[in-house]
Amino acid sequence: GAVVSQHPSWVICKSGTSVKIECRSLDFQATTMFWYRQFPKQSLMLMATSNEGSKATYEQGVEKDKFLINHASLTLSTLTVTSAHPEDSSFYICSARGGIGSRNSGEQYFGPGTRLTVT
Amino acid sequence: DAKTTQPTSMDCAEGRAANLPCNHSTISGNEYVYWYRQIHSQGPQYIIHGLKNNETNEMASLIITEDRKSSTLILPHATLRDTAVYYCIVRVYGTGNQFYFGTGTSLTVIP
Repeated sequence: GAVVSQHPSWVICKSGTSVKIECRSLDFQATTMFWYRQFPKQSLMLMATSNEGSKATYEQGVEKDKFLINHASLTLSTLTVTSAHPEDSSFYICSARGGIGSRNSGEQYFGPGTRLTVT
Repeated sequence: DAKTTQPTSMDCAEGRAANLPCNHSTISGNEYVYWYRQIHSQGPQYIIHGLKNNETNEMASLIITEDRKSSTLILPHATLRDTAVYYCIVRVYGTGNQFYFGTGTSLTVIP
């Protein structure tokens, strides 16, 4: 199957700083990428949908000014957690969907996740 | 919003078949049933998906009832490495529709 990578795999930052997480589709072009957040012992919660070249669509209750999403190319989306606080500590997971007409059309592939700890 | 319900947890003896049920009574005609699993601190891993016919691949079998209101994921010979949380999801295939995860079933394979 297609491969999606995330970088970094884990990060520790101080309260008030910003941290950027990258999501890359390694062997296919992803017209759409999704960002999820998962707290301990809970399920994945969809945060936002990111389409290449356009603004992200955020789920209800997710602050778009705090979680900045950029999808500047067909293989890269970034999530920036601005002014991070301890309650933002979580496991952040991205997924990527292949474009219509591509070998990976329509299917979603998940990244390995990024563990964020805010101290 | 997740449209599926699953038992919270299940145990299975190593080497035996693990049968994981899922209810999706409000599934629409064009929605597929997907199964993913998540091993601790990793991203979800695709297992299998189907519309109405039973499906089998190298990982598992998917049995969908005739009315499509429920399904069962079968791991034919469970191993310790199959211990994970298993998610059943319904969505329209091949679109930009998001995956909405329910609570999943935590499967523990016992030696």
